Amino acid sequence: DGGITQSPKYLFRKEGQNVTLSCEQNLNHDAMYWYRQDPGQGLRLIYYSQIVNDFQKGDIAEGYSVSREKKESFPLTVTSAQKNPTAFYLCASLRQGVGEAFFGQGTRLTVV
Amino acid sequence: AQSVTQLGSHVSVSEGALVLLRCNYSSSVPPYLFWYVQYPNQGLQLLLKYTSAATLVKGINGFEAEFKKSETSFHLTKPSAHMSDAAEYFCAVRALNSGGSNYKLTFGKGTLLTVNP
Repeated sequence: DGGITQSPKYLFRKEGQNVTLSCEQNLNHDAMYWYRQDPGQGLRLIYYSQIVNDFQKGDIAEGYSVSREKKESFPLTVTSAQKNPTAFYLCASLRQGVGEAFFGQGTRLTVV
Repeated sequence: AQSVTQLGSHVSVSEGALVLLRCNYSSSVPPYLFWYVQYPNQGLQLLLKYTSAATLVKGINGFEAEFKKSETSFHLTKPSAHMSDAAEYFCAVRALNSGGSNYKLTFGKGTLLTVNP
């Protein structure tokens, strides 16, 4: 079945450690996104990528990094520079044109 | 720049009553508009989308929305609420540039819908 897979579903890390969240899609979509979700804040865009080897900062990119070496994969690294990394992270992909975005099931990151 | 405002972070209705969730957008070019639903600890699922065809859009689970350019609105409605409609709802905008290549997708802050028996 086609879709977006985020792993793991739950992730715990110690403060000061970098952590990488995985996002893979087999929908052959061009664009991929990372959003952060906090209660009452909606979805805030971290990074997005329109094509392989290219990506743009979203509204809250500080403390995060991404890569897009393959069309299917768009991993997000939460670095130690991110001041408040505990949140629910959502990955999405979108086909070129008028298509809607498809979402993964999310990764809940807790930093202790 | 594009943005979305959802009026009311929490809406409560009785089962069988009308559901109305409000969304206003800001965009310098004609937008594409979307409504998504999210159940706890899950990803988002598309309810419906407006892509410059009919202004009244019908979606899944009996929801519909009307695009009103003069009011820059895209409100979501359902004639009769069901208990299973309780969830969080997000409005989103994507404004394509002249080359059709703007992929930035912006969401509102969401509206939590509670359905009372």
